[in-house]
This record gives sequence, C-alpha cells and structure tokens, in this order.
Amino acid sequence: KQEVTQIPAALSVPEGENLVLNCSFTDSAIYNLQWFRQDPGKGLTSLLLIQSSQREQTSGRLNASLDKSSGRSTLYIAASQPGDSATYLCAVPDLTDSWGKLQFGAGTQVVVTP
Amino acid sequence: KAGVTQTPRYLIKTRGQQVTLSCSPISGHRSVSWYQQTPGQGLQFLFEYFSETQRNKGNFPGRFSGRQFSNSRSEMNVSTLELGDSALYLCASSPGTGSTSSRETQYFGPGTRLLVL
Repeated sequence: KQEVTQIPAALSVPEGENLVLNCSFTDSAIYNLQWFRQDPGKGLTSLLLIQSSQREQTSGRLNASLDKSSGRSTLYIAASQPGDSATYLCAVPDLTDSWGKLQFGAGTQVVVTP
Repeated sequence: KAGVTQTPRYLIKTRGQQVTLSCSPISGHRSVSWYQQTPGQGLQFLFEYFSETQRNKGNFPGRFSGRQFSNSRSEMNVSTLELGDSALYLCASSPGTGSTSSRETQYFGPGTRLLVL
C-alpha cells in the first residue's frame, strides 16, 4: 500500500529565504505527483503536477523535482513571502484505484515571517 | 472559467440528522471526487463519479452516499450524523478525458465545513 510522508510537519522561515518542502512515497511506481497549497479552512489549490517521466516542473517561483528511484519529491519556493504561508500537501494517484483517488501526505505547515 | 463551487460553505447539524452537500465542477469536467478532511485523519477519499456513475468508493460506512447528475454536478449525503462526521468536505473535478481520472490534475473546491453537535 502506498504511503506518502511529508517531513517536517511544520516550518517557519524569515521572508526572503528559499523554502524546501519534502515529500516521500514508498512505492516508486507512481504515475505522477501533484503539489497543492491549502490556506486555513479553505480548499486545495493545485500548484504543480509532475509526470513520472519528468525530473522537474517549474511555475514562477515554484520548482518541483521528482526522483522516483528514491521515492522523493521536493518543492522549492524561491524568495519566500508572507503570502506563501499555508499548508503544502503532496499527493499521488492510488496504485490500486484508477478512478479519482489520490493518496495525500499529511502536509507541511509553512509560516513565513516578515 | 469558473472554478469548482461547493454549497453550502458552512453547516451545523445535530447528531442523528442528515445532510446534503453540493458540488459544481469546472465547466466541461466530467469526473467529480469527494474527500473528507479532519485534523486526525487528514484527507480521505470518499467516492468518485463520472457520467452519473460511481466508479470508486473509499472505506466509509454506508451512511455516506452520493450521486451525480447529467450536468456533472454532484451531491453527497450523510445520514444519521455522528460527532465524528465533523470535517471539511472537499470535492475535486477533473476533465475525465483520460482513462484514469486520478492521473489528471485535480481541481478542488473551497469545501463545506460541517460541524455536528
């Protein structure tokens, strides 16, 4: 059974510092990996989807890397801003279910201090 | 395009009651999935619908049910509410054009916050 882990559970950085968020998965046979952002009490916003054939995906200040062999993905956020404060979750499609089901990590709660 | 919308945004119910939540997917999206989010369990998959058919169901009791209409809008129903049903309920839509909707980018709505007293 696929297990998705995000460490640390919480992170605080000063404004301007680069953020590095980690996501680990136990079964490397993933189809893709998606990163989401969630603001308190709100829904999830899709940030990046990286296909298993890709090594990285970039969008603005965000860069996600994927290393299937080691079961890891890393989300980099350059030059963090207070508006980046949120919980970041990663998710992979469940291997045993094709329809709709994503397996989520527990998330990393990020606070960027001014 | 408008995003995924969910109504109502907040609900307070008492134990034993039932509740219906609604989700309107992004225009053109045919797959709708539902998740329950709690502090203790995180995000857990409830079910997925495509073209009015439930294709997948998570490990939840039969009190949790759903349906999808011909316009792809979906509803979920929880009967005989329990305190443990208090959660944020999220729905997600995807185009459903691929053979497996879980492999598509999932777009989430703002959620419905349910409090059971």
